[in-house]
Amino acid sequence: AQSVTQLDSHVSVSEGTPVLLRCNYSSSYSPSLFWYVQHPNKGLQLLLKYTSAATLVKGINGFEAEFKKSETSFHLTKPSAHMSDAAEYFCVVSDPGGGADGLTFGKGTHLIIQP
Amino acid sequence: DTGVSQDPRHKITKRGQNVTFRCDPISEHNRLYWYRQTLGQGPEFLTYFQNEAQLEKSRLLSDRFSAERPKGSFSTLEIQRTEQGDSAMYLCASSQGVAKNIQYFGAGTRLSVL
Repeated sequence: AQSVTQLDSHVSVSEGTPVLLRCNYSSSYSPSLFWYVQHPNKGLQLLLKYTSAATLVKGINGFEAEFKKSETSFHLTKPSAHMSDAAEYFCVVSDPGGGADGLTFGKGTHLIIQP
Repeated sequence: DTGVSQDPRHKITKRGQNVTFRCDPISEHNRLYWYRQTLGQGPEFLTYFQNEAQLEKSRLLSDRFSAERPKGSFSTLEIQRTEQGDSAMYLCASSQGVAKNIQYFGAGTRLSVL
C-alpha cells in the first residue's frame, strides 16, 4: 500500500521569500514521486518527478524537490516566491508494485503569496 | 490544443438521473485514467484503461459507476442514479507506455447533483 501525507494544508509566504511545502510518503516498493500544481479552473500540471535517478530533482518555474529515503520525504522548495505561484500543490506517489497503476495524491497544500 | 479534453466542463443534474462524461486523451497515449476530486481533497483514483482494456476497476466507488473505452481512443464515465454525494470534480488523465510515465490531466468535469 502507498500513501502520502502533506504536512501543511495552507502555507503563506511573502513574495520574494523562500517556499517550503512538506511531503512524507509511504510505499512498499521503490516509488516514483511527483509534485503537481492546480490553479483555479485549470487542469493539474506536473511540476517535477523523481524516478530513482538523482535525488535532487529540478522542475519547472524554479521549483525543486529532494528525495530523502531515510526520512521518507519529498519536500518541494523554491528560492523566491512569485505571485503567480499561488495555487494548490499536490504531492503524489506512484507505486508500480501496488497493482493499480493509479496515482495516490496527498490532500494538497494551498500556497498563499502575500504581496 | 492537443492536451486531454473533457466534456462537459460543468454538469448540473437532479438526484436519480444518469450522467455521462467524455474524455479525449492525447492522441498517441495508450493509457487513460479516471479520478474523482472532492472539495478540499486530492484526486482519488477510480479506474484505468490500457488501449480498450479496463485493467483496474475495483476502485470504482459503487456499481453505479462504470467506464468504457470501446475503441481505445476516447472514454466515457457513467454514473447511474446519481446521489448528492456524487457531486465532485471528475478528472481524466492519459499517459504513454509503462507505469511511472507522466500522467497528463484534463481540466475536469464538475458535477453538481441537486
